[in-house]
Amino acid sequence: QKEVEQNSGPLSVPEGAIASLNCTYSDRGSQSFFWYRQYSGKSPELIMFIYSNGDKEDGRFTAQLNKASQYVSLLIRDSQPSDSATYLCAVTMGTYKYIFGTGTRLKVLA
Amino acid sequence: EAGVTQFPSHSVIEKGQTVTLRCDPISGHDNLYWYRRVMGKEIKFLLHFVKESKQDESGMPNNRFLAERTGGTYSTLKVQPAELEDSGVYFCASSLLPGVGTGELFFGEGSRLTVL
Repeated sequence: QKEVEQNSGPLSVPEGAIASLNCTYSDRGSQSFFWYRQYSGKSPELIMFIYSNGDKEDGRFTAQLNKASQYVSLLIRDSQPSDSATYLCAVTMGTYKYIFGTGTRLKVLA
Repeated sequence: EAGVTQFPSHSVIEKGQTVTLRCDPISGHDNLYWYRRVMGKEIKFLLHFVKESKQDESGMPNNRFLAERTGGTYSTLKVQPAELEDSGVYFCASSLLPGVGTGELFFGEGSRLTVL
């Protein structure tokens, strides 16, 4: 079992729809959870972070964390073509050891 | 403020040669990480420095890889001798110490290594 698992996609959604990206992790002791966006040929950039169970909203983005199910998700509302990228889930294990999933490629269709 | 910078951006070498990648973290960031992304795979953890000390090097694939961080500033990752499977994009990232800020990792643009 991989430490952090994501569906590689591509996930295709029409413009204006909600994109739902999912991530599961194996270490129950994980404390911090991050979503990074990576455009092709570029470096990852932070979109959201979440530490506590529940939802956290920032603009069009909502991160959801369920530690009991070891599951974290990212919702993107009103998806735009500019949101097309690879979304990486990252989880900290131990003292700030960040483990990444393979990423989900999102395509927003105009 | 300058971000994380990496050099070179792309290196093409032959199997058996040596390559040294350099990373300059954001000033004041004591945490420095090296990651590698092979096509179609996850961004894989290689090692983590806190200042000049190796905190965790459990991801280093073998003893052909040597990372250093002189004086707790910039870091180098040397691959000697390079093998075909070492090809990929090597990312460096830095962050503030735990408990300071959000824990966000700031990434460099990556160094693409191609071993022929």
